[in-house]
Formats: sequence, C-alpha cells, structure tokens
Amino acid sequence: AQSVTQPDIHITVSEGASLELRCNYSYGATPYLFWYVQSPGQGLQLLLKYFSGDTLVQGIKGFEAEFKRSQSSFNLRKPSVHWSDAAEYFCAVGRGTGGFKTIFGAGTRLFVKA
Amino acid sequence: GAVVSQHPSWVICKSGTSVKIECRSLDFQATTMFWYRQFPKQSLMLMATSNEGSKATYEQGVEKDKFLINHASLTLSTLTVTSAHPEDSSFYICSARSQGRTNYGYTFGSGTRLTVV
Repeated sequence: AQSVTQPDIHITVSEGASLELRCNYSYGATPYLFWYVQSPGQGLQLLLKYFSGDTLVQGIKGFEAEFKRSQSSFNLRKPSVHWSDAAEYFCAVGRGTGGFKTIFGAGTRLFVKA
Repeated sequence: GAVVSQHPSWVICKSGTSVKIECRSLDFQATTMFWYRQFPKQSLMLMATSNEGSKATYEQGVEKDKFLINHASLTLSTLTVTSAHPEDSSFYICSARSQGRTNYGYTFGSGTRLTVV
C-alpha cells in the first residue's frame, strides 16, 4: 500500500538558518511527489512537485526538494528560513490513474525562532 | 492560476442538522474533485472522489449516507454532512483537478471549519 512518512512531527529552526524536512514514501511505481504548506486555519498551497526528469526540483518561496529513488525520499530544503515560513508542511504522493488521489504524510510543524 | 473557492469558511450548527459545503473552481473546469477531512494537528484524510455527472467514490470507512457528495457541474461540488454530530466537527478541504490540465498538483480550497454543538 502507498504511504508517506514524515518522521519529524515538529522542527524548530532559527531565522536565517537552513532547513531540511524529511519525507519518505512507499509506492509501487514511479511516484508523483508533492510538498504543500498550510498556514493555521487555511487551505494548502503547493510548494513544488516532482513527476520525472531532474531529481532536484525548485519550488516557490525559495524551497527545493530532491528526489532520491534509492532512498525513497523527497526531502524539502531551504537555505535560509524566514519567520513567515512557520507553518505546517505536508509531503504527499499522487496515486491512481486518471484521478490521481493524493496521499498525505502526517505533516511537520515548522517553528521559526528569532 | 487555478483558483478553488470553498464556502463557507466556517460554520457552527446544532447536532442533528445538516450542513452543506460548496467547492467551486473559479477559472477552470474541474472534472474531478476530492474531499478531505483534517482533524486538529493531524494530516488530511481523503474522504471521497467526486466526478462530474457520476456518483462519488468513497474511501473505506467513510459513510456515504452521512457525507453526501454532489458534483452536478464542472465547476461545483458540494459536500453535505447529514444529521451532524459533534464527532463530525473537523476541518474539511476540497481540491480540484481541471479537465485536460496535467499539473498533477491539485488546487485546494481554503477549507471549512465545521463545529457541531
């Protein structure tokens, strides 16, 4: 069965420091992978996605993610975190034909300290 | 870009009443929409997939008679929580995939906070 694991429930990073959020997936075929961000009480915003090709994907707000097939990982990174990046981050995998249902990880809450 | 509007943003209802949540694609036609439920501090759980003009497909464990989904047009899907109870209180989010769009990253609505008292 497909699954997505985000090992870190929450992470605290100092403003200006680098960030890496971990994501591991289990999927029987080539996965479609996503990272979403959710601010409190809000919907989700797509940060970036991977379908094929270059394994290093650039997204919005200065985020990037690297697909590593050998490790079944799709970690999200940002070189310098801003206070406005504090939010919940969800890794997700798309599955199914046609409809592409999305399976979400449990999420990682990012706290940014001054 | 693609925009999905979800209404209402929040609703409080009495136990036993029904509540309808709307999900509209504003600038594209959505052949497929998904409804998710999110409990506090938890991830999103897919409830059902609705396809325009056909019956919704519910995930295992989701009561189809309690969570009625209608996708009557290419721009509107509705979720009706029937005979709501306090345990139905949650954050409900819809997402939409447009016809012919190969973005594979669905556009999400802003969510509806349902509180049943």
